[in-house]
Amino acid sequence: GESVGLHLPTLSVQEGDNSIINCAYSNSASDYFIWYKQESGKGPQFIIDIRSNMDKRQGQRVTVLLNKTVKHLSLQIAATQPGDSAVYFCAETLSTGNQFYFGTGTSLTVIP
Amino acid sequence: EPEVTQTPSHQVTQMGQEVILRCVPISNHLYFYWYRQILGQKVEFLVSFYNNEISEKSEIFDDQFSVERPDGSNFTLKIRSTKLEDSAMYFCASSEEWNNQPQHFGDGTRLSIL
Repeated sequence: GESVGLHLPTLSVQEGDNSIINCAYSNSASDYFIWYKQESGKGPQFIIDIRSNMDKRQGQRVTVLLNKTVKHLSLQIAATQPGDSAVYFCAETLSTGNQFYFGTGTSLTVIP
Repeated sequence: EPEVTQTPSHQVTQMGQEVILRCVPISNHLYFYWYRQILGQKVEFLVSFYNNEISEKSEIFDDQFSVERPDGSNFTLKIRSTKLEDSAMYFCASSEEWNNQPQHFGDGTRLSIL
């Protein structure tokens, strides 16, 4: 029979532009969030995390924003580079457990 | 930078056979995990392991699955009698603390059941 897969959202940006990747998470009780980057043939790679007592956190070229009111997480990548091309996942977890729940992912393509 | 390593990178097995997937977590990490990703689908949690015991498991992790830390460095996932629907990428991860800490992933084992 036909297999049904996820329709992966895609984002294409010009090299040097800023990228914004969005994620709607599912559980209002989630209190720790991570953005992972997954390149083809590799495992998820940690980018940045944020706890629910924060609404913004910055790393090197990346910023994560958390809006708990609407259960929304975003990842901003400044000055996007070709090496940023990958699938980006948000993942959430509860303080009472340690299993992460992954989102569907967004495929980012950087155009040189 | 320390990393999680997984072997083999690709495993092909006949349906009904047992398969063991191997992982070497980051050396100072105490918490270990297995996730799987069926082609085109989300990454799904299978099990977490600490102090030689399963601490959490999902509905996917039924009696056909088991995990073991046979020595001080390896962490294994065994599927006793594989089914076609077990075909997926299997990722091992580890973390220093139980929660509110990043889990660091290996590059996965692609399991293909024929």
